[in-house]
Formats: sequence, structure tokens, C-alpha cells
Amino acid sequence: GENVEQHPSTLSVQEGDSAVIKCTYSDSASNYFPWYKQELGKGPQLIIDIRSNVGEKKDQRIAVTLNKTAKHFSLHITETQPEDSAVYFCAASIVDAGNMLTFGGGTRLMVKP
Amino acid sequence: GAVVSQHPSWVICKSGTSVKIECRSLDFQATTMFWYRQFPKQSLMLMATSNEGSKATYEQGVEKDKFLINHASLTLSTLTVTSAHPEDSSFYICSARADPPRAEKLFFGSGTQLSVL
Repeated sequence: GENVEQHPSTLSVQEGDSAVIKCTYSDSASNYFPWYKQELGKGPQLIIDIRSNVGEKKDQRIAVTLNKTAKHFSLHITETQPEDSAVYFCAASIVDAGNMLTFGGGTRLMVKP
Repeated sequence: GAVVSQHPSWVICKSGTSVKIECRSLDFQATTMFWYRQFPKQSLMLMATSNEGSKATYEQGVEKDKFLINHASLTLSTLTVTSAHPEDSSFYICSARADPPRAEKLFFGSGTQLSVL
């Protein structure tokens, strides 16, 4: 089955700096890679996603890049703000095979004001 | 769009009692819903896949008689933790798959914190 590894497990940055979180996956058949933000005591919120036929996608301060050959994808947050502090999860799935997500272990991002 | 509502947000119960958690898709029909369990500072663990009108598919190690799942309509799935014990205390989260053309996207409920005394 699919295995998703995520690094780092914790990340502390100064407000205004950029944050990068990286994930690797094992199943080359995976073709959908979402990123979720989870605040304390709440469910995960989808913030950005990418399909395997795209190398990069951007939405305001958030961007995701995908390297299919190396089987890794990354989340980039620019101009970080204190409200970006949360736990971020990457995930991978095969869209036409039930779309069951395999999650990474999570990254606790702390943005210091 | 794509709002998933989950209730209750937290529940405290006595050991041996049963607890029901509801998951509703508010603005779309969800043929498939998923139930996850999350322990503190850990990732989400898939417990089962819930399909409308059919039996749920449970992941290895998840007791189907302990965690009863019912998906009787296209907008509602329920998880019942039967004869709850302290080790069942956890954060339970449901998710639903959006309608085409966003069918690859999964949206999550707000979670239910279960504490069994």
C-alpha cells in the first residue's frame, strides 16, 4: 500500500518568512495530492491540492509543487502570519481507486510574531 | 460549498454506554464517507469507508461490531461506538467525497472529541 512520509515534524518560523513542508510517497500510481490545515480541536481543512498531471499550483500565499519522478511534493507558504500556525498534513490517493487518502505524519508549524 | 457537519463536537460518557456521532453533507450528496480516528499529536487513521445503501468497509484491526456505521442516505452517515471504554477515547472525524467534477476532493467535518470515563 501507499506510504507517505512528511518532514519536518515541527517547524518554527518568524512572521513574514517562508515555510516549506516536504512529503514523499511510495506508490507511483498515486495521482492526487491534497494538503490540509488542522487547527487545535478542529477537523482538517483542505487548503490546496494538485493532480499528477500538473507540476505546480499556486493560490495566493500558498503553493504546491510535485515531482512525479522523485515521488515527492512540497507545500510552500510565503509571508507567513501568526494565523498560519497549525498542523499541516499532506496526503496521497489514487482518484479512480476509491480515493482513500493516505496521510503523512503532520507538521506543526509555529509562526512567531 | 462542500460543507460537512459533524455532531456532537464533544461528548463525555460512562464506560459501557454507547455513543452515536453524526456526519452530514450539507450542500452536496455524498455516496461515500470516511471515518477517521486521531490520537493527540498523531495523524489521522482511517477506520472505515461508508457507502450509501451498503455495508461499510472496515480497515484491518477495526472491530466492526464495536464501531457501527450506518449510511442510510446520501447526506448522512453515523458512527456508533458501542459499549465504550476509556481506550476508545479519541478524536473522531468524518469526511465526505465531493460531487463531480470535484470528486477527488475530500472535505472533513469538525470532529468529535469522545471522552469515556
